Amino acid sequence: DQQVKQNSPSLSVQEGRISILNCDYTNSMFDYFLWYKKYPAEGPTFLISISSIKDKNEDGRFTVFLNKSAKHLSLHIVPSQPGDSAVYFCAASDPGMRFGAGTRLTVKP
Amino acid sequence: EAQVTQNPRYLITVTGKKLTVTCSQNMNHEYMSWYRQDPGLGLRQIYYSMNVEVTDKGDVPEGYKVSRKEKRNFPLILESPSPNQTSLYFCASSLGSGRALHEQYFGPGTRLTVT
Repeated sequence: DQQVKQNSPSLSVQEGRISILNCDYTNSMFDYFLWYKKYPAEGPTFLISISSIKDKNEDGRFTVFLNKSAKHLSLHIVPSQPGDSAVYFCAASDPGMRFGAGTRLTVKP
Repeated sequence: EAQVTQNPRYLITVTGKKLTVTCSQNMNHEYMSWYRQDPGLGLRQIYYSMNVEVTDKGDVPEGYKVSRKEKRNFPLILESPSPNQTSLYFCASSLGSGRALHEQYFGPGTRLTVT
């Protein structure tokens, strides 16, 4: 039973536009939510996180939004760049880590 | 260079032959963890360790063993591998306290095939 779900396996956007990646979770005990980025043949790399007591965290082009009532979080990338093309994993901690299945983002020049 | 290393990177073995995948980090991290990645399932946590001599089961611990005798090493042991353990395995580590617990550094992965 997956506690963290990414329902969109892929997303394609134009360079310069906004990319919005979505994630839903079922466990209200999660205390931290994270996004990781993965390129082929490499391990995931940490991108951004948010505590369960916050609703927004921003780091440069990346912003994560948390809606606890809807058990939903999203990652916004503005503006999107071709180098952002990768698989993005949403994760949640309690403190074991649970990952979603990933969304493959393609940013077209 | 700060890093998590895994060995071997690729391994093909046969059912029932015991194997160990090593994981080492040079960042003095307290938290270490093992994951497996399978198509359509993302990463699933096998075991994690909050500190030396402290280990906990993740979501898919069956068929695996771990030990944490020293801070820098966290080997994954498959006593009797089976074909359903064919997967891509990642080791990760983090500082292990507060927000830093969750910012994990991942190794490059070990692709295991069990025939």
